[in-house]
Amino acid sequence: QLQLQESGPGLVKPSETLSLTCTVSGGSISSSRYYWGWIRQPPGKGLEWIGSIYYSGSTYYNPSLKSRVTISVDTSKNQFSLKVRSVTAADTAVYYCARISSGWYGPYDYWGQGTLVTVSS
Amino acid sequence: QSALTQPASVSGSPGQSITISCTGTSSDVGGYNYVSWYQQHPGKAPKLMIYDVTNRPSGVSNRFSGSKSGNTASLTISGLQAEDEADYYCSSYTSSSTLRVFGTGTKVTVL
Repeated sequence: QLQLQESGPGLVKPSETLSLTCTVSGGSISSSRYYWGWIRQPPGKGLEWIGSIYYSGSTYYNPSLKSRVTISVDTSKNQFSLKVRSVTAADTAVYYCARISSGWYGPYDYWGQGTLVTVSS
Repeated sequence: QSALTQPASVSGSPGQSITISCTGTSSDVGGYNYVSWYQQHPGKAPKLMIYDVTNRPSGVSNRFSGSKSGNTASLTISGLQAEDEADYYCSSYTSSSTLRVFGTGTKVTVL
C-alpha cells in the first residue's frame, strides 16, 4: 500500500524559508506513470494547488506562488521536497503531499496525512 | 483564475440523494474532462471520490457518481449515510495560466 508522509518544521518565522519533505513508501517515486504534488489548506479554508513534479525533475507551479516556490525530487531517497521563500502569515496552512495519476493535471489519488506549518515570530 | 464555484452547504436526510454542483468556465470544467471530486472529513486528508468527471476509484462506494453539463460538473450521493457528512471539493485542469483549480468547497450535512 502506497504511503506518503510529510515532514519538516511546524513553525517558521516571517521572511524565512519553509521547507518540507514528502517520503514515499510502498512504491517508487521513479515510476513513469505518476507525478507528485503539493497542496495546501489554510485553517478553515479551501484547498490550493502549489505545484507538481515528475521523477525526471520536470515541474509545474501555481503562477500565484511560482516566484517563491521550488519543488525538487530525490529519487535515491524516494522523496520530493517543497521550499517556500519569504513566508508571511498568509502561508500558514496544512501542507499535503500527494501522488498524481494520468499526467501532471491528473487526480490526486494518494495523499499524505498533512502537516500544519505556522508562520509566526 | 478564480476558484470553481460550489454551494457552501448541502443537506439531506439519511437515504436521500443530494447533488453538489461545481461551476467553472469553458477554460476548465466545460472544456476538458479532467474534473475530480474529493471528500474531506474534519482533521483528515482529502480522499479521491471521482476522477475524469465520471470515474470512480477502486474502493469508492457506487453511491457516489459524477456528471457534467456545459460548464457545470456535479457530484451525486445517493442513499445518503451519516458517514457521508464531510466537506467536498471539486478540481479541474484549466487552460488559463493557473493550470489547476479547486472548488470553493461544500459542507454536506446529514440531517
